[in-house]
Amino acid sequence: GDSVTQMEGPVTLSEEAFLTINCTYTATGYPSLFWYVQYPGEGLQLLLKATKADDKGSNKGFEATYRKETTSFHLEKGSVQVSDSAVYFCARVGLSSGSARQLTFGSGTQLTVLP
Amino acid sequence: KAGVTQTPRYLIKTRGQQVTLSCSPISGHRSVSWYQQTPGQGLQFLFEYFSETQRNKGNFPGRFSGRQFSNSRSEMNVSTLELGDSALYLCASSWTSGNNEQFFGPGTRLTVL
Repeated sequence: GDSVTQMEGPVTLSEEAFLTINCTYTATGYPSLFWYVQYPGEGLQLLLKATKADDKGSNKGFEATYRKETTSFHLEKGSVQVSDSAVYFCARVGLSSGSARQLTFGSGTQLTVLP
Repeated sequence: KAGVTQTPRYLIKTRGQQVTLSCSPISGHRSVSWYQQTPGQGLQFLFEYFSETQRNKGNFPGRFSGRQFSNSRSEMNVSTLELGDSALYLCASSWTSGNNEQFFGPGTRLTVL
C-alpha cells in the first residue's frame, strides 16, 4: 500500500546551519507530495508541495524536489532559525480509488534549532 | 477568511463513555477529513466526508463514526471509549473531494482516563 518513510529524529541544529530531512515514498504511480509543519500545540500547516516529477516546492526558505528516480522528496533549508523548531511531516496523497482522498504521513521529524 | 475550527479544544472522558467532536471547515470547502495523531501510531486517516457522504474510511473500528451536515460542518463520534483512544484528533478541509491541498484545524486533544 501507500507509505512514506521519513528520517528519524530528533534533529538538533545550531542557528544558520543547513537542514536536510529525508523522505521517501512508495512508488505507486505519481502521487502528489507534501511537507507539513506542526508547531507546539497547533495543527498541521502546509509548508510546500509538488505534484509531478522534477517539481520543486518552496516556501519560507524551505525547498523539496520531487525525485521520481529515487522516489524521494527531501526537505532542505540553507540556514535554519530558532523559529523553525517544530515537527515536520512528509506526506503523499493516495492514488487508488479507495485512498485517493487521504493523506499518508511519515512518522514526523522533531527539529530543534538552538540559538 | 477564517480557518478550520474545531471544538472543543480539550476533552477529558472516562472509559466506556462516548464523545462527539466538531469541525467547521473553511467557508466554501465541501470536503472534511479526520485524522488521529498519537505518539505511537503517528497520523492516521479516519474518514473523509464530501457532500454529506462518507467517501473514504481508514482502518478504525466501528466505534469511530462521523457525519457531515448540509453546511459542510462535520462531527465525529467515538463510542465506548478506550484508553488507547487518547489522541489529538485533527480535522482538515479542502475545496472538493480528492483535492490535494488540505487545510488543518488546531485539533481536539482527547484524554481518556
